[in-house]
Amino acid sequence: DAKTTQPNSMESNEEEPVHLPCNHSTISGTDYIHWYRQLPSQGPEYVIHGLTSNVNNRMASLAIAEDRKSSTLILHRATLRDAAVYYCILRGGGDAGNMLTFGGGTRLMVKP
Amino acid sequence: NAGVTQTPKFRVLKTGQSMTLLCAQDMNHEYMYWYRQDPGMGLRLIHYSVGEGTTAKGEVPDGYNVSRLKKQNFLLGLESAAPSQTSVYFCASSLSPPGPLNEQFFGPGTRLTVL
Repeated sequence: DAKTTQPNSMESNEEEPVHLPCNHSTISGTDYIHWYRQLPSQGPEYVIHGLTSNVNNRMASLAIAEDRKSSTLILHRATLRDAAVYYCILRGGGDAGNMLTFGGGTRLMVKP
Repeated sequence: NAGVTQTPKFRVLKTGQSMTLLCAQDMNHEYMYWYRQDPGMGLRLIHYSVGEGTTAKGEVPDGYNVSRLKKQNFLLGLESAAPSQTSVYFCASSLSPPGPLNEQFFGPGTRLTVL
């Protein structure tokens, strides 16, 4: 399975943008890039996903490198509520595509 | 619309005791999953189900059994609990057909301690 690499932790100031990187150099052509986050003492929640093009939704933006070997989750204005562990996950097709393989993720700390 | 709910929220067991964790979803999802999360780590898949009456093994199935008698419920059983099963257990569900676009919805978790 293609693996992802993320920094263990990052720190941000409230109301500033945050760029969370993810490396996935062995990504296959059919793998989608998903991001989930886990707030303290809660289950993970879906944030965003993409294949090749950059994506925006109400929670965040996803910037995907042209060679697809890396991606960046962008929180445009971090709030205290965004403090969480962010997971970058690759998902393929078929039954395997419904499985989520979590790595260690990036713990985002937001300072007031 | 409650989403995914889990019962109980907390439980303490002694080694060798048995228990069942209940997961329920009201979104009419075909797929359901059980994960465990150990301190400081990501989630690992224990078992999953692709529909009523079906179950399959995930990454770490040993010591656990599951049943999916009703579409909305997915039960995780520990027949003889061990301290190594101390963890937080999360249930999730998603739509079918399977594929990389289907978002998984997670429950709030069950914190289990085995003494």
